[in-house]
Amino acid sequence: AQSVTQLDSQVPVFEEAPVELRCNYSSSVSVYLFWYVQYPNQGLQLLLKYLSGSTLVKGINGFEAEFNKSQTSFHLRKPSVHISDTAEYFCALNAGGTSYGKLTFGQGTILTVHP
Amino acid sequence: EAGVAQSPRYKIIEKRQSVAFWCNPISGHATLYWYQQILGQGPKLLIQFQNNGVVDDSQLPKDRFSAERLKGVDSTLKIQPAKLEDSAVYLCASNPALAGYNEQFFGPGTRLTVL
Repeated sequence: AQSVTQLDSQVPVFEEAPVELRCNYSSSVSVYLFWYVQYPNQGLQLLLKYLSGSTLVKGINGFEAEFNKSQTSFHLRKPSVHISDTAEYFCALNAGGTSYGKLTFGQGTILTVHP
Repeated sequence: EAGVAQSPRYKIIEKRQSVAFWCNPISGHATLYWYQQILGQGPKLLIQFQNNGVVDDSQLPKDRFSAERLKGVDSTLKIQPAKLEDSAVYLCASNPALAGYNEQFFGPGTRLTVL
């Protein structure tokens, strides 16, 4: 079975500060990893994904994440946040193979950017 | 390209009543998912369709939840009778089910409140 753990339920930061949202995963098979963002009263939007290749992946809105297989982590980072980045962020994995694209999500991290 | 459509956006019902949600995926997308997102938690897969066949419904509470995808296009999710713990956002997602990686596209969700 696969699982995803987001280590922080809430992260408050000031505008223009750097931020890291932490995600660890557990799986007995190779996985695809994703970060989604959810703004209030909206659906989920894909920020970035790791499928294979380079372990540093860049996404939309200046976000990036690094896949670390030895530590089973996929932390999300942004060097300078904006007020508009305030949202809930979800880490997710897909085990590939016969999972038919099914996503397993973490519990979510609420990022609040203060002026 | 139109996104995933869901209706209604909001629904309030009394416990023991029945309710139905509708989803229209992106045109041509073969795979359709229903997720349940309880407040403070990540989305959890309820059921996955490939065209009009069920691929995974292992986490669907079948004593009260049912879903169908007639003609392999739009889908309905029904709860009968509803319980207080069914209060959640119900997200629909789709992907084209092509070979290799397929991004899931999410609808805006239906927020259900059971009183």
